[in-house]
This record gives sequence, structure tokens and C-alpha cells, in this order.
Amino acid sequence: DQQVKQNSPSLSVQEGRISILNCDYTNSMFDYFLWYKKYPAEGPTFLISISSIKDKNEDGRFTVFLNKSAKHLSLHIVPSQPGDSAVYFCAASADGANSKLTFGKGITLSVRP
Amino acid sequence: DGGITQSPKYLFRKEGQNVTLSCEQNLNHDAMYWYRQDPGQGLRLIYYSQIVNDFQKGDIAEGYSVSREKKESFPLTVTSAQKNPTAFYLCASSIAPPGTSGRQYFGPGTRLTVT
Repeated sequence: DQQVKQNSPSLSVQEGRISILNCDYTNSMFDYFLWYKKYPAEGPTFLISISSIKDKNEDGRFTVFLNKSAKHLSLHIVPSQPGDSAVYFCAASADGANSKLTFGKGITLSVRP
Repeated sequence: DGGITQSPKYLFRKEGQNVTLSCEQNLNHDAMYWYRQDPGQGLRLIYYSQIVNDFQKGDIAEGYSVSREKKESFPLTVTSAQKNPTAFYLCASSIAPPGTSGRQYFGPGTRLTVT
């Protein structure tokens, strides 16, 4: 039972264009969402997060949008750069006694020069 | 320079042998976690610990064991009972209690190959 779903395994975009990475979740208790970026053979690094009290959070070229009613979030990268090529994981947590994160399977983003 | 270290980067073992993966953090975080990543899969939680001398099973704990004797250290033992031990293992830590901040910091990972 996958509670965090990243249904598109890969995405290819041209340098300078927008990359839109999607994520859906099923658990209505999730109230905090994160995006991590991962290069091969390295640990994930935190990219951006959003709390359920917001519908948008922006940090430089990265913006995350949250649609609670649709249980959907998306990461926008604009403009995309070749160095953005990596695997992007969506993760979610529910407020409470622990901070277990539930991860999606990841999306491989390729930015073409 | 604060962070999480995992050693070694690559580890090879024969089937039937137990192996212990190291994870150390100097971030003064209370909570620590172990995940494994397989090709085409997300990160799956093996064990986590919110405080010293306490830990809980994650989603795929069978065949693994952990200890948390010190705040800085959370070693993971992959036992011979783990049916598919070859994987990329990631250790993480976070500030607890989490509230609405679920951010975890990850180590560089250990690639374990069992033949």
C-alpha cells in the first residue's frame, strides 16, 4: 500500500525550461511534505518543504505547490539546469510522536543541455 | 563541520555472514533512522530511534538489528536471516520532537554486496 506515489518514473526537459515533478498521497494525516534530491551513490539532500497550512513555498528556482483537497503536490524547477539532473524523492510525514517519513519511489529528472 | 558519516562506502560479504554498518552523527540530533534503497524503489525504513536506548521497527525490519547506546551512534547489523541483503543503505538523523519539521539529514550511504 503505497501512501506516497510518484507515478512518473522519469522526466526529460530542455535546459532553461520548467521541470514539473508530481507527487500524490493517500494518507489524509500527512501534514508536512518534503522534496529530496539524490545523486547516484550519494545520500539524499533536502531541497524544499511545505507545511499543510500553506499551498506554496518558494526557494530560489524551486517552488512546491500543495493541493490538499486533491492530495497532490508538485515541485517546479525554473529555469532547469543540467546540474538538476538527479532522482527526486517526495516524502511526507504526519505530526505526532515521531517524524517517520514516507517516501515515494522517486522521479529521475534529466535536463538536456 | 557537522554531519553524518557512514562507513565504509562499499562493503562485500559472503552469504551467511552477519555484517554491521556504521552510522555516526555530530549534529546533536535525538532521532536516527536506517533506510535501504533498491533500484527503482523509494527509501524503505528499516529501524528508527528517537532517543538513546530505544528503537522501533520500521516497515522492513526482518533480518536486521540495531542498537542505540550513544546519541551519536546507530549501527545496523544485517544478519544472515535477511533474504536479500544486497542494497544501498542510508542512515539519517533529525531533531526530535518533530512537530511539523520532519526534515531528516542523510549520510552518504553504504553499498552492501552479499555473494
